[in-house]
Amino acid sequence: NAGVTQTPKFQVLKTGQSMTLQCAQDMNHNSMYWYRQDPGMGLRLIYYSASEGTTDKGEVPNGYNVSRLNKREFSLRLESAAPSQTSVYFCASSALGHTSYGYTFGSGTRLTVV
Amino acid sequence: AQTVTQSQPEMSVQEAETVTLSCTYDTSESDYYLFWYKQPPSRQMILVIRQEAYKQQNATENRFSVNFQKAAKSFSLKISDSQLGDAAMYFCAYNYGGATNKLIFGTGTLLAVQP
Repeated sequence: NAGVTQTPKFQVLKTGQSMTLQCAQDMNHNSMYWYRQDPGMGLRLIYYSASEGTTDKGEVPNGYNVSRLNKREFSLRLESAAPSQTSVYFCASSALGHTSYGYTFGSGTRLTVV
Repeated sequence: AQTVTQSQPEMSVQEAETVTLSCTYDTSESDYYLFWYKQPPSRQMILVIRQEAYKQQNATENRFSVNFQKAAKSFSLKISDSQLGDAAMYFCAYNYGGATNKLIFGTGTLLAVQP
């Protein structure tokens, strides 16, 4: 089915470990986003890529890096995981210029850093 | 900076009754978009309804409707004939478009539906 695919769905890391969250969309969308969801704080934007070849910081970028590998794929990397990065992470995509349609979201990754 | 505020962390409604979830936002833009997303326990984000600011008519999708008050910067969601499957976290979100198309979310309202 068309949509946004995130892997993994669950992950437990030890403090200081690194990992990459993968995201791919097959809707030919230009823009992709990474959000984190924490209780009582809603979804906050970490990084986004308005189009292939560009990436920009969002509201909470510290401790993260991203790569827009091609039009389909947008990965999020934690270089040295910290307990404060325990969260649910969502990848999303949208068609540039079609802002009224909102986003298509992946199913999320629950990350626990111990 | 644009902000979205949901002042009701939790709400409860009886099955078949009507409930209204509140959302206010702050922006200096005149043209923008507003959304309600539903997040059930499965964690999937589901678009419920959207409103374009330049349209005065309130959006409606089956049992879901909005009360959009542009001057008051208010965007509430009304759920009629509530069903057990409506139990979820609901997020209000704002988007002014532009080159980045960023969505700004409220903190969410957890809706419980009592049988």
